[in-house]
Amino acid sequence: DAGVTQSPTHLIKTRGQQVTLRCSPKSGHDTVSWYQQALGQGPQFIFQYYEEEERQRGNFPDRFSGHQFPNYSSELNVNALLLGDSALYLCASSGRDRYNEQFFGPGTRLTVL
Amino acid sequence: AQKITQTQPGMFVQEKEAVTLDCTYDTSDPSYGLFWYKQPSSGEMIFLIYQGSYDQQNATEGRYSLNFQKARKSANLVISASQLGDSAMYFCAMREGAGGSYIPTFGRGTSLIVHP
Repeated sequence: DAGVTQSPTHLIKTRGQQVTLRCSPKSGHDTVSWYQQALGQGPQFIFQYYEEEERQRGNFPDRFSGHQFPNYSSELNVNALLLGDSALYLCASSGRDRYNEQFFGPGTRLTVL
Repeated sequence: AQKITQTQPGMFVQEKEAVTLDCTYDTSDPSYGLFWYKQPSSGEMIFLIYQGSYDQQNATEGRYSLNFQKARKSANLVISASQLGDSAMYFCAMREGAGGSYIPTFGRGTSLIVHP
């Protein structure tokens, strides 16, 4: 039973560029959430996708956008990258049966130069 | 105001001993959930334990137990019989409101180091 997978593992971009991160949820899960974790901080909620729609959103600018596909996988897009976007980006999935339990992926480490 | 406060940036414990990681929270919502996660150096967040605000008993999962003191708004994690593999960052998180929407707020974490 595959857990949550994320790609790529690491990414280096320059200011102003755009980036796309990918996530495949745990088998049987239909809800995907994205988090940003800056160094030395706890994760911050970006948004959550369910049934291919953004269901809830945290306090992040419109530069952060996402998508969920019919197979429940998801993408996080960040436009006009800033130095402050450097962080670990975590994807988590959950299912309707145990919605209190989120399974996290290993994350994508994004560095913006 | 911080919704989740973890006042211990770092903790040290001897192998096989018990350790308590502190967490206090702030909410006016009568319905909420409290979570603890472990994050090893690999980066992946691992769910450990959940406590609902209406749960009468403290949650336990194997060597992990949650000391829930509602009046004090604290939800401390107790790890019994520490193991070397328990060395990691530990995060306390809270979800406010009922229902299936899972939007947790995380604390800043506590680094736990287990000595042999």
